[in-house]
Amino acid sequence: GAVVSQHPSRVICKSGTSVKIECRSLDFQATTMFWYRQFPKQSLMLMATSNEGSKATYEQGVEKDKFLINHASLTLSTLTVTSAHPEDSSFYICSAGLAGGPGKQYFGPGTRLTVL
Amino acid sequence: DAKTTQPPSMDCAEGRAANLPCNHSTISGNEYVYWYRQIHSQGPQYIIHGLKNNETNEMASLIITEDRKSSTLILPHATLRDTAVYYCIATQPRNAGNNRKLIWGLGTSLAVNP
Repeated sequence: GAVVSQHPSRVICKSGTSVKIECRSLDFQATTMFWYRQFPKQSLMLMATSNEGSKATYEQGVEKDKFLINHASLTLSTLTVTSAHPEDSSFYICSAGLAGGPGKQYFGPGTRLTVL
Repeated sequence: DAKTTQPPSMDCAEGRAANLPCNHSTISGNEYVYWYRQIHSQGPQYIIHGLKNNETNEMASLIITEDRKSSTLILPHATLRDTAVYYCIATQPRNAGNNRKLIWGLGTSLAVNP
């Protein structure tokens, strides 16, 4: 089946620094990838839809200047959390679907971000 | 996308069948029912999806009522590794570029007990 990887799996950083998270589709091409955030004991919250070669579409309430998304190729999307603060500590997950395939999504293993 | 309602939690004995219900009374004719699960601290995993016929794969069976207003995910022989949060989502299967976004509820937390 289709595999999506994320790197790093866990990151701890100081307040004010920027953190980049990579999402890769390993064995298929993904024109669209999705970025989610999940706080403890809560459901997944869609942050943005990442489109290859164009600007990301952000959900209401998500600051596009704080959460920079780049989808430079059909297999790689990156999420950069700029000037991270403790309230940005969360579990970040990406997903992708097969172009032209059924609507099911393939998810990465997630990245645990802790901002001190 | 149609709203879905699931019980917040369920228990199941190891080796027994786990039947997880989902209500989607406002589902429209072109919306499929998708099931995903999320094991603690991992990304969600696709399980199964269907439109109106019952479906079965190596992981589970999906039973959809004739009026399509509800469905049941069946794990035939639950194991401890099936302990997870199970999400039921009703959505259209695809659009241009397959960029249909999924709206997630709180799901059902299934505990499989030894």
